Amino acid sequence: GQQVMQIPQYQHVQEGEDFTTYCNSSTTLSNIQWYKQRPGGHPVFLIQLVKSGEVKKQKRLTFQFGEAKKNSSLHITATQTTDVGTYFCAGQDFGNEKLTFGTGTRLTIIP
Amino acid sequence: NAGVMQNPRHLVRRRGQEARLRCSPMKGHSHVYWYRQLPEEGLKFMVYLQKENIIDESGMPKERFSAEFPKEGPSILRIQQVVRGDSAAYFCASSPRFQGYQGYTFGSGTRLTVV
Repeated sequence: GQQVMQIPQYQHVQEGEDFTTYCNSSTTLSNIQWYKQRPGGHPVFLIQLVKSGEVKKQKRLTFQFGEAKKNSSLHITATQTTDVGTYFCAGQDFGNEKLTFGTGTRLTIIP
Repeated sequence: NAGVMQNPRHLVRRRGQEARLRCSPMKGHSHVYWYRQLPEEGLKFMVYLQKENIIDESGMPKERFSAEFPKEGPSILRIQQVVRGDSAAYFCASSPRFQGYQGYTFGSGTRLTVV
């Protein structure tokens, strides 16, 4: 079945530094979505990417979808303490409503 | 517009008891998904339902676990004869028929502890 891997598993950064997490799917995807889960909280939808090579920005967050639609990345510029949490990518196959979540990257910020 | 409602938030069961987890999707959402999250791990897909239909249960353990989404009322995830390994956070999510760019909306989860 479809597998979605993320690296790194953990990332500790100084406040103000940049952060990147990478996501790879074993299959070509219809779309990829990103979610953020705060400690003790539930996943919250951030964005969906659909087109090959697509790049979307949300303030300090930049999301990319690879040309082959099998990989994606999330980059945060100048991290803040509010960015703490686990970031999950989630892939959706063609003709399938089910989302397969990646393993997640847990971001901690050193003030 | 209330979000996805899950209850209870916390549930403690002794080994061998039954656990019933409830999920009411967002208004206007017809698709419900259940995911399980073990401590410090990712979200594992369990089951996808529409009203009165199980669409995909490929992530459900073959025994003791069942799910339903009746015509009236919330979706129910039932775990019979719970064991310690069932301790986890169970999240329900919902989406409209055509997701568009909305993604899933998750509930706050039910934290199940088996003692």
